Amino acid sequence: DTGVSQDPRHKITKRGQNVTFRCDPISEHNRLYWYRQTLGQGPEFLTYFQNEAQLEKSRLLSDRFSAERPKGSFSTLEIQRTEQGDSAMYLCASSLEWGRDNEQFFGPGTRLTVL
Amino acid sequence: AQTVTQSQPEMSVQEAETVTLSCTYDTSENNYYLFWYKQPPSRQMILVIRQEAYKQQNATENRFSVNFQKAAKSFSLKISDSQLGDTAMYFCAFMKPNFQGAQKLVFGQGTRLTINP
Repeated sequence: DTGVSQDPRHKITKRGQNVTFRCDPISEHNRLYWYRQTLGQGPEFLTYFQNEAQLEKSRLLSDRFSAERPKGSFSTLEIQRTEQGDSAMYLCASSLEWGRDNEQFFGPGTRLTVL
Repeated sequence: AQTVTQSQPEMSVQEAETVTLSCTYDTSENNYYLFWYKQPPSRQMILVIRQEAYKQQNATENRFSVNFQKAAKSFSLKISDSQLGDTAMYFCAFMKPNFQGAQKLVFGQGTRLTINP
């Protein structure tokens, strides 16, 4: 399978714990995006990378959130001191910088539940 | 900042019928892209159709077509001959590319579409 993959698919944690999610983009894609989707809503942009450089961060991304893409391939999203409001689906997408019509390809998501 | 509005939270039609999903957006930009994404239950989001703002012609992909009204900032999706597999959440999304290339997507709230047998 050469699509976007995310791990884990589900994560249940207790309030105050740290969690880390991983995203593996399509191999030739240099752009990688993180979105958050709460129940019944559309995805909201969190941050994106071009290769290893983080080019934009949303104001939604509080100090407890950090994202990395150390070698320009996979990316990790860490949430420190989780809160119940962090419960959501975290989606990763990838694209080429100048791809056909700028299409983003999405992974299956990581569903986070904070108890 | 750009906003995208989908005013129909849920829709339901019978198999083989035609259904139209509405989307409006707000932007002061002239060059941008609009997308419809489909998110089936418990499955990942996939692109249904895309439209470049500078193209006058409405995009079509098999049973899916759009009605793009740039002046009215409207971008509706028409699904013809609907099938059970079309049951999903549908999201309208906006993207403004810049000199750095592809940028973030701004999504609407979604429309839950159910196709009944």
